[in-house]
Amino acid sequence: DSGVTQTPKHLITATGQRVTLRCSPRSGDLSVYWYQQSLDQGLQFLIQYYNGEERAKGNILERFSAQQFPDLHSELNLSSLELGDSALYFCASSVIPGQGGNEQFFGPGTRLTVL
Amino acid sequence: DAKTTQPPSMDCAEGRAANLPCNHSTISGNEYVYWYRQIHSQGPQYIIHGLKNNETNEMASLIITEDRKSSTLILPHATLRDTAVYYCIVRVLGSSNTGKLIFGQGTTLQVKP
Repeated sequence: DSGVTQTPKHLITATGQRVTLRCSPRSGDLSVYWYQQSLDQGLQFLIQYYNGEERAKGNILERFSAQQFPDLHSELNLSSLELGDSALYFCASSVIPGQGGNEQFFGPGTRLTVL
Repeated sequence: DAKTTQPPSMDCAEGRAANLPCNHSTISGNEYVYWYRQIHSQGPQYIIHGLKNNETNEMASLIITEDRKSSTLILPHATLRDTAVYYCIVRVLGSSNTGKLIFGQGTTLQVKP
């Protein structure tokens, strides 16, 4: 158990819908990262927040957005869903981004299926 | 961040050492070598990291060549539970770095009884 929690575990929805994935980082971690893992693209970095502010953006679609709240939990919002958005979505957390020894701890993931 | 090259798959007998290679010939002086693994669709798990010296922890050892252009992750006594995809990642650390991880395709290690 990494200490990072993600809800829900599984999500099945239809094309065109909107969903929200939730992540609670490890106690004391200030930075949250979101990654997407699909069969054809592998693990891809989406976006990072540090202490409530966006720190870095990766290959995140405009239909996707995220935020980190004052209690440091984060939500990833996916809208106008398409079949190709079906994937595993992982959240990770770390203490201070970019520092030596700063490994990331990953949650168990949310499996999104778009029908 | 420097690009890494890993073999797509490897086999290892249970109880034997598993040696997973990684090439990172374009690594810069301030880039660290990190290893993560992912066991069957679970969240990736941090294993070990190093800059230039060899490193060892309770999970594995990391051997980095003197020129830092390649490294080897060693699992000293592989078990069936070590069957996973192993990712070698090279990244810069520092206050200006975001800390994001760029995953390649990794090496699928199959530990066989």
